[in-house]
Amino acid sequence: DIQMTQSPSSLSASVGDRVTITCRASQSITSYLNWYQHKPGKAPKLLIYGASLQSGVPSRFSGSGSETDFTLTISSLQPEDFATYYCQQNYITPYNFGQGTKLEIK
Amino acid sequence: QVQLVESGGGVVQPGRSLRLSCRASGFTFSSYGMHWVRQAPGKGPEWVALIWHDDSYKFYGGSVEGRVTISRDNSKNTLYLQLDSLRPEDTAVYYCARDRGGDWPRYQFDYWGQGTLVTVSS
Repeated sequence: DIQMTQSPSSLSASVGDRVTITCRASQSITSYLNWYQHKPGKAPKLLIYGASLQSGVPSRFSGSGSETDFTLTISSLQPEDFATYYCQQNYITPYNFGQGTKLEIK
Repeated sequence: QVQLVESGGGVVQPGRSLRLSCRASGFTFSSYGMHWVRQAPGKGPEWVALIWHDDSYKFYGGSVEGRVTISRDNSKNTLYLQLDSLRPEDTAVYYCARDRGGDWPRYQFDYWGQGTLVTVSS
């Protein structure tokens, strides 16, 4: 199975900060990597699939990387961005997620 | 707008069964592959199962294969997950999710429900 490892597991930041979250796959997944945002009690939300921004997602979110190393960047944090973020590979079954990065207000 | 509403969760004893439902609205349900994804307390999400738009194929994650059955009724816009021989480690919030790929699944989940909690405990 491909293991997905996110870092950091938690992060404190302020509104307006630029934030980067990293996701590493235990073997190459080419570009088959997706990012989700999850707020407590709400439905998770697809942000980025492959290198593409999901429709309706603000352009301050971007994703990059290939093979085993990927990043999610939020260019200027907004109050509504404080949530937990998960990466997920859709290269091969089982389609594992990372353990999550909790983004908190500093 | 797309809505997915799960139901059927609850507290169940080990070894018993439970059937979860997911009612879909706001899109042509019969044109999309659908998934179940679960999240145990304090852990990341785990993909559980996929069913193709026309029920032609079903696939399962390794930790549940043989104990769960995914199904759908396109006339009722409803997705189901039958959970059998439940174990304490099956305790999780269970989400239904739509596949972004439509009738050709890509294992990218573009809409999710809010989930239903299953607790397996004696």
